[in-house]
Amino acid sequence: AQSVTQLDSQVPVFEEAPVELRCNYSSSVSVYLFWYVQYPNQGLQLLLKYLSGSTLVKGINGFEAEFNKSQTSFHLRKPSVHISDTAEYFCAVSAANTGNQFYFGTGTSLTVIP
Amino acid sequence: KAGVTQTPRYLIKTRGQQVTLSCSPISGHRSVSWYQQTPGQGLQFLFEYFSETQRNKGNFPGRFSGRQFSNSRSEMNVSTLELGDSALYLCASSSGTGVNYEQYFGPGTRLTVT
Repeated sequence: AQSVTQLDSQVPVFEEAPVELRCNYSSSVSVYLFWYVQYPNQGLQLLLKYLSGSTLVKGINGFEAEFNKSQTSFHLRKPSVHISDTAEYFCAVSAANTGNQFYFGTGTSLTVIP
Repeated sequence: KAGVTQTPRYLIKTRGQQVTLSCSPISGHRSVSWYQQTPGQGLQFLFEYFSETQRNKGNFPGRFSGRQFSNSRSEMNVSTLELGDSALYLCASSSGTGVNYEQYFGPGTRLTVT
């Protein structure tokens, strides 16, 4: 099975500052990796995904993430955050080519301070 | 395309009762997955259905069951409700192939057990 660890449960950051949300995964097989965002009282929205190819993945709303196989990490970054980025962020992993069983991290609550 | 829809959005039940939640996937998607989200346990995978067959199952008791119909709509049933079943239940649909591999989430059903 796969597992995901999100190292920071809460991340406060000032508006227009850069941010990095950390995600490490564990798996004995090839994986697909995802970052989702959840706003209050809503479902999850996909920010970006890594399936194969380039290890630097760009997503929506200016976010990007880098897949590092040797460090089993998939950290999410944004160079300049906005108030509207305040939300819960989830990293997820699934085993490649084995159906849609996603394993989620416990989430990181990002708070952007004006 | 219309997104994933879940009904009802909110539900209040009493311990011992049973409940059925419904999920309509994005048109053309044949895979539907269910997740339970709670503050303490985070997002946990319940099961996945693909073409009316359960393809994957998480580690939940037999009180949690599901099914999928020929039009890909899915229902989840919880029998003999317990207080700990109070959660946000999220449904996700997927076309599940190639570069389109990702899960699209519905807004969730908020279940409160009293």
